Amino acid sequence: GAVVSQHPSRVICKSGTSVKIECRSLDFQATTMFWYRQFPKKSLMLMATSNEGSKATYEQGVEKDKFLINHASLTLSTLTVTSAHPEDSSFYICSARRASSTDTQYFGPGTRLTVL
Amino acid sequence: GNSVTQMEGPVTLSEEAFLTINCTYTATGYPSLFWYVQYPGEGLQLLLKATKADDKGSNKGFEATYRKETTSFHLEKGSVQVSDSAVYFCALSGSTLGRLYFGRGTQLTVWP
Repeated sequence: GAVVSQHPSRVICKSGTSVKIECRSLDFQATTMFWYRQFPKKSLMLMATSNEGSKATYEQGVEKDKFLINHASLTLSTLTVTSAHPEDSSFYICSARRASSTDTQYFGPGTRLTVL
Repeated sequence: GNSVTQMEGPVTLSEEAFLTINCTYTATGYPSLFWYVQYPGEGLQLLLKATKADDKGSNKGFEATYRKETTSFHLEKGSVQVSDSAVYFCALSGSTLGRLYFGRGTQLTVWP
């Protein structure tokens, strides 16, 4: 299989704090990982594309200083929401693409972030 | 550019009914096409895919055929179950970078 995990699954934090979300590919190497944000009853919005060992590519309108992405190894990418505010509350989903595949992405279970 | 248009939901069916969720796309080049399913509170799972024209993807009783002439990839199932209740997303991958373009999702609810 191709399993992607995310941690934590749920997090509640106070406004102004930072939150780190981890995305791991458990049984394959992922040269590319993607971070999405999903609003209620909406489709997924791609936030950024992360390649191992290089800087992430952010989509237009996504603040790179607010959503810090690190892809330090072929199995781990992290998203840090800095100085979180209530409007950052959302469902964040990562996906990973195998090194040997150019099209199929495998998705993590998502992280529900609530900022109070 | 690349885009996916998906049938607006929600779709409500009785168990064993026939399901069709329409999906059409606009793409440059020759995209791969996907259907993903999202169960409540979970991430997306790949349901099926097709990589070239006339390919049929199938899984768990669901099918979709890549129709280049109509730029469509409609999802069908002959007899739905309560456990099929979920949100279904049509998507395309149109570049070597692997970026996915998603439709807005269709909520399916199946009643016993």
